[in-house]
This record gives sequence, C-alpha cells and structure tokens, in this order.
Amino acid sequence: GALVYQYPRRTICKSGTSMRMECQAVGFQATSVAWYRQSPQKTFELIALSTVNSAIKYEQNFTQEKFPISHPNLSFSSMTVLNAYLEDRGLYLCGARDWGVYEQYFGPGTRLTVL
Amino acid sequence: QQQVRQSPQSLTVWEGETAILNCSYENSAFDYFPWYQQFPGEGPALLIAIRSVSDKKEDGGFTIFFNKREKNLSLHIKDSQPGDSATYFCAASETSNTDKVVFGTGTRLQVSP
Repeated sequence: GALVYQYPRRTICKSGTSMRMECQAVGFQATSVAWYRQSPQKTFELIALSTVNSAIKYEQNFTQEKFPISHPNLSFSSMTVLNAYLEDRGLYLCGARDWGVYEQYFGPGTRLTVL
Repeated sequence: QQQVRQSPQSLTVWEGETAILNCSYENSAFDYFPWYQQFPGEGPALLIAIRSVSDKKEDGGFTIFFNKREKNLSLHIKDSQPGDSATYFCAASETSNTDKVVFGTGTRLQVSP
C-alpha cells in the first residue's frame, strides 16, 4: 500500500531558530509533493507544491526564503522552517501523489511548537 | 474566500445512526472530491472519493452523494460507531491538476455509544 512517513512527529524550537522536517513515500513514487500547514484557524494552507523535474511553486504568503523545500528523488522531500516565530506554529503535512493517480496520500504530520 | 464549505461544524450522533456531513463548492472546474478522515494527532487519511461524472459512490459503509448542478455533496456514514469519531474534511480539485487540493474547514463527528 501507499504510505507516507513524516519525521519528526513533534518538535519544539525557540523563536528565531529553524527546523527541518522530512517526508518519505513508501510503496509508490512521490512524483509530486505538496506541503501544507494545518492550524485550527486556517484549516489546511497549501505552502508549496513540488514536482520532480519542475520548479517548486509557492503559494501566496509563503516563500522559498522562509520555507525552502528539497525534493531530490521520487521518495523523499524535506522542508525547513527558517527563523520560526509563533505564527509558524501548527501541524505541517506532506501530501504525496504519483503521476497519473488522483489520490493524494498524507503523512501523520510534524507538529511544530515555537517558544 | 472559502472555496469549499462544510456543514455542520460539529455533529453528534448515536451509535448505529447514519451521520450526514455536507459539503459545497464554488469552482465549477472542480471535478474530483476526496473525503479525508483525521483523528487527533494524526494526518488526514483518504477515506473515499468521487469524480463529478458520478452521482454516488459507496465503500464500506461510507457513501458520497454528489449533485453537480447544485455544486454540493454529502458523506453518509451508515451505522456509525464510536470509532468513527473524527474530523472529516471534504476536498476538491481538478483532475487536470489534482496536485492543488482545496480543503474545507471540516466537520467534527462524535458518535456516542
């Protein structure tokens, strides 16, 4: 079956520091990976969409300078939250999809707490 | 502007009843509608999905009823069990670009024994 792993599951960082989170697809090829942030106030916010062999597309209000993403192969992606502040708190979700398939599979998320 | 709306925000049903969760959308170009189930502390899990060419989709006690003209759909959970207590998200995308999925705000379902 298609599985998506994310780690760490939880992380705490001090305000102004950075943290990196990873996403691993197992059982299928993660041709595209979408990174979301889920918060109680804003449900799912799409941060960026990464497709192998294409440029990463960031949504409005999210930038590469703040959320650099790497998608080096068909099973792995990582995203870093640089200079994290309180408003960056939330559950960061990785949704991966294989080419030609409609379904997007999510990992369990990385919960970021900023002190 | 919320492109995908869900109602109610929360719902409580008794064990064995059918829970009905509603969803509506604005963009006529949306033609693929997955529903996700999310338990506390976990990521959303794909539950069932429908394409706009169909008006009904059933899978293991979960049924989607879809009305293209009215741009709404509903998820029926038959014979609800306490283990079905979770938040359910309706989502929408275009099959030409299913990478960009728009999520609703969710319905929190509580099934009481």
